[in-house]
Amino acid sequence: AQSVTQPDIHITVSEGASLELRCNYSYGATPYLFWYVQSPGQGLQLLLKYFSGDTLVQGIKGFEAEFKRSQSSFNLRKPSVHWSDAAEYFCAVGTFRTGFQKLVFGTGTRLLVSP
Amino acid sequence: DTAVSQTPKYLVTQMGNDKSIKCEQNLGHDTMYWYKQDSKKFLKIMFSYNNKELIINETVPNRFSPKSPDKAHLNLHINSLELGDSAVYFCASSQSEGVIGELFFGEGSRLTVL
Repeated sequence: AQSVTQPDIHITVSEGASLELRCNYSYGATPYLFWYVQSPGQGLQLLLKYFSGDTLVQGIKGFEAEFKRSQSSFNLRKPSVHWSDAAEYFCAVGTFRTGFQKLVFGTGTRLLVSP
Repeated sequence: DTAVSQTPKYLVTQMGNDKSIKCEQNLGHDTMYWYKQDSKKFLKIMFSYNNKELIINETVPNRFSPKSPDKAHLNLHINSLELGDSAVYFCASSQSEGVIGELFFGEGSRLTVL
């Protein structure tokens, strides 16, 4: 069965500093991988996704993630964090068949941004 | 216009009561979902409907009964509420033939069972 581990429950980063959020997955086949962001009181929004091809994927809001098969990782990065990036970040692995998509989420990492 | 809307946003009720949460999407999607987010922020899929047909039921107790009157609506009815049902419930939608993995989520309905 698929599973996702986000080892950091929360991370604090200074505004303007770089960010890396860790994600490790367990899946037998080539995974479909995603990062979602949840702002306080809001639903989740897709940041980026990886299916195949280039292992470095670009997303919205200046985020990127790198798929490393050898490490079963899909870490999220941003070169310069803004205060508005403070939110909960969820990594997910997906299973897809005709008619439905099933996402298995990690437990999330809360990002705090200090001035 | 909100793409995926849920009502109510907050719900406080006593153990043993029955309550419903409604969800509507105006994106024209054919697949809808209910996810439960517990107090530790863990998100787990409960149900998925494709064109009003149940596709996924992740071993959710029978007290939870989803209903999809049409593909734009997926409601969640919960009977005999228990303390452990307290959570945030998220509705989501996607298009089965569209961008894989792009689920559109509602803002959540926070259920508190006293």
